[in-house]
Amino acid sequence: DVKVTQSSRYLVKRTGEKVFLECVQDMDHENMFWYRQDPGLGLRLIYFSYDVKMKEKGDIPEGYSVSREKKERFSLILESASTNQTSMYLCASSFRILYGYTFGSGTRLTVV
Amino acid sequence: KNEVEQSPQNLTAQEGEFITINCSYSVGISALHWLQQHPGGGIVSLFMLSSGKKKHGRLIATINIQEKHSSLHITASHPRDSAVYICAVRSVRADGLTFGKGTHLIIQP
Repeated sequence: DVKVTQSSRYLVKRTGEKVFLECVQDMDHENMFWYRQDPGLGLRLIYFSYDVKMKEKGDIPEGYSVSREKKERFSLILESASTNQTSMYLCASSFRILYGYTFGSGTRLTVV
Repeated sequence: KNEVEQSPQNLTAQEGEFITINCSYSVGISALHWLQQHPGGGIVSLFMLSSGKKKHGRLIATINIQEKHSSLHITASHPRDSAVYICAVRSVRADGLTFGKGTHLIIQP
């Protein structure tokens, strides 16, 4: 089975800190995605990548950046964390766009 | 207006009941996904559909492309089916998925 691993399950950071959320998949998937999930809003796409060093903005990219230096790893970066970035962050991958998705277990980030 | 609408938002049923969760969408799609999220956050992909019907165990998913509607059915429901069920679509004009807000299902023993 494909595995998508997110480096931290729970994270607490201070306002203004630079935060890195890491996601690694082990099945040579081309496409990787970062979503955030908030009560009442559901999941929303932050950024996605369809190849190494390629990235595309999703619906809510403001305040975030991403890095994909290797095919298996997709990092989400909060340049200067703010309290409104407190959320559940979910990483996902798929082989190609029309294939199924595999999700990580999520990282619950609290910014204080 | 959200492009993906799910109903009901919350559903409580007794063990053994037949469960139906509905999903309507307003855009042209290339695929529709049904996902399951248990407390703690992990999401599992149940089905990916572009037409017709799929079955896996006690779960059945159907889609009607003309009516822009999909249903997820659970037969002989069990307390372990308690979870949030999320419908998501990949529209023909965008990458990534657009998600419904989920249906919170509780199956009581």
